[in-house]
Amino acid sequence: EAQLVESGGGLVKPGGSLTLSCAASGFTFTNAWMTWVRQAPGKGLEWVGRIKRAIEGRTTDYAAPVKGRFTISRDDSKNILYLQMNSLKTEDTAVYYCTTEVGNGPLKDAFDIWGQGTKVTVSS
Amino acid sequence: DIVMTQSPDSLAVSLGERATINCKSSQSVLYNSNNKNYLNWYQQKPGQPPKLLIYSASTRESGVPDRFSGSGSGTDFTLTISNLQAEDVAIYYCQQYHGTPPCSFGQGTKLEIK
Repeated sequence: EAQLVESGGGLVKPGGSLTLSCAASGFTFTNAWMTWVRQAPGKGLEWVGRIKRAIEGRTTDYAAPVKGRFTISRDDSKNILYLQMNSLKTEDTAVYYCTTEVGNGPLKDAFDIWGQGTKVTVSS
Repeated sequence: DIVMTQSPDSLAVSLGERATINCKSSQSVLYNSNNKNYLNWYQQKPGQPPKLLIYSASTRESGVPDRFSGSGSGTDFTLTISNLQAEDVAIYYCQQYHGTPPCSFGQGTKLEIK
């Protein structure tokens, strides 16, 4: 069974840094474009960014609010996705989910597997 | 940037009745090269991650009850939940997945039982 498990969340002061991890299992991680989505308390879903496969140069894309502060990377040997967050702001407080598409058959171009999320609180 | 706007923000529907949620994109999400609408619907219950319901505007994800259906093309889409059940209480999000930025969500629609 495909599974994603996030970790690394916690309380950090404004201006601080934090790195989240997402451990993948049950599917071929190297074939997957991996995405981070966040959800601020009581708010909707916000796409953070994604990383493509190694054969595509591990190209990354970021949402405007995090570009230049957040870095997405992946370790295909360990099946782990990372989100390095620098210069954190109070508005980065959210539950951070990793997600991807793992279903067999034609591409859905949708996220059919999600982790349970890890909570990040940015506060002084 | 493609902006997704859902309506209404919330709605209350009686058990067994039909719920309709609309989603409008600021640009077409229909790509002529493959005639595919890059529009998906998710359901999120409290304390849980989102769950994929519908992809490509109208294809039900495996295991999703057939009372959930999606329709629309281009910029206007609808999620319909027929014969509403108590377990359908949730927040529903539409999502585009091909434009700029590569992904964006609607603000969500909260569905409750009347």
